[in-house]
Order: sequence, then C-alpha cells, then structure tokens
Amino acid sequence: EVQLVESGGGLVQPGGSLKLSCAASGFTFSGSAMHWVRQASGKGLEWVGRIRSKPKDYATAYAVSMKGRFTISRDDSKNTAYLQMNSLKTEDTAVYYCTRPSDSVGGAFDIWGQGTLVTVS
Amino acid sequence: SYELTQPPSVSVSPGQTARITCSGDALPNQYAYWYQQRPGQAPVLIIFKDIERPPGIPERFSGSSSGTTVTLTISGVQAEDEADYYCQSADSSATYYVFGTGTKVTVL
Repeated sequence: EVQLVESGGGLVQPGGSLKLSCAASGFTFSGSAMHWVRQASGKGLEWVGRIRSKPKDYATAYAVSMKGRFTISRDDSKNTAYLQMNSLKTEDTAVYYCTRPSDSVGGAFDIWGQGTLVTVS
Repeated sequence: SYELTQPPSVSVSPGQTARITCSGDALPNQYAYWYQQRPGQAPVLIIFKDIERPPGIPERFSGSSSGTTVTLTISGVQAEDEADYYCQSADSSATYYVFGTGTKVTVL
C-alpha cells in the first residue's frame, strides 16, 4: 500500500524549533520529490516547500513566508522526508501534511499523509 | 507572490450542477489541479492537468480551462460532494507551488 505517515508534531513555544518526519512506503521514495503543505484551523491549504530527488541534486524550494526558517531534507535510506522548523511563530500553528507529486497524474499530489498538528503557543 | 483566486462558497441543490472557478495569471501556461477535502481529512486529487480525472473519481467531476481561469464542474451534485475544493498550480518557472483560496460547496 502506498502510504505517507507524518510524525513529530506537538506543542512548542514561540521562538522554538520542531522537526517533523514523513515516512513513505509502497513506492520508490528515492525517485520522488516530496512536498510539505500546511493548513491552519479553518483556513486553506498553504504550500510550504519541496525537495527533489538525488538526480535533481536534492534541490529545495520554499514559500516566501517560510524561507530561512524552514528546511526540508530527506534520507533515502530511511524512506523519510523531514521538515525542520526554527524560530516558530504563533501563526505557524497548523496541521502539516507531506505529499508526493506523481508523473502518472501530471505532477499532481496523489498521495497525502494524515497530517501532524503543530501548535505554537 | 503568485495567487489563485476562488469564490469562498458555492451552494447547490442535489442533482444540480456546481461550478467553481479558479483564476490566476500563470494558468494559461501552467496546468491546474483540483483537490477535494472533507472535514478532518487530507485532500484528495480529483482533477489533474486541467481536465483529466484520476482512476476512481466519479465522472460527475470535470475540469475545463479558458485563459486565466480554470473551472471545476460537479454535475448531478450529491450530498457526499459537500466539501472544500482547492485548485493548485505553480508559477511560470514551476518552482513555487500555490493553492487556491478554497471554495466550500454546500449541498442544500
């Protein structure tokens, strides 16, 4: 079964740090880019950033509001992607999803994790 | 920053047709995708590359594109279609991704 499972969410004080994990299974993780998307309670989806695969030099890109505070990394040996969040603000409180773009659906996000809640307070 | 604009809400009676628009300057050059999100659940892909439907998605969901606007149409709306719907695309360099502002579909 193709699956993404996030973990690492929790309560953190403003200015603190947190590292989220996204464990993948059921597909060739090393060949896939991985993205993070977040959603504050009652709000819309917000793209956080992405990391590409090794052939594309593990290139990263971030939403402007998160660049410099958030870092996406991956460990292909563990089939896991990470989101390191530093200097957290109350407005970073959200459910964080990891997701995978798939060539079979034109690069759309076809698989999503269940999300992990980050509360900054 | 690049934005995709959707109407906040659409209300429709069962069996009728719902249309949700998504407007963005880069849409003539970039594909759009549509996701359905029910409360407490992760988004689900329902349309890709403007008009394509993934396996398992009912035929009542369809997409179209014209200039800077893409449209999701739900024909013969059912109660289970009540959800939030988001369009998604990327900027002209396909480096930065963006989601639309979201539309809540209410089935009367």
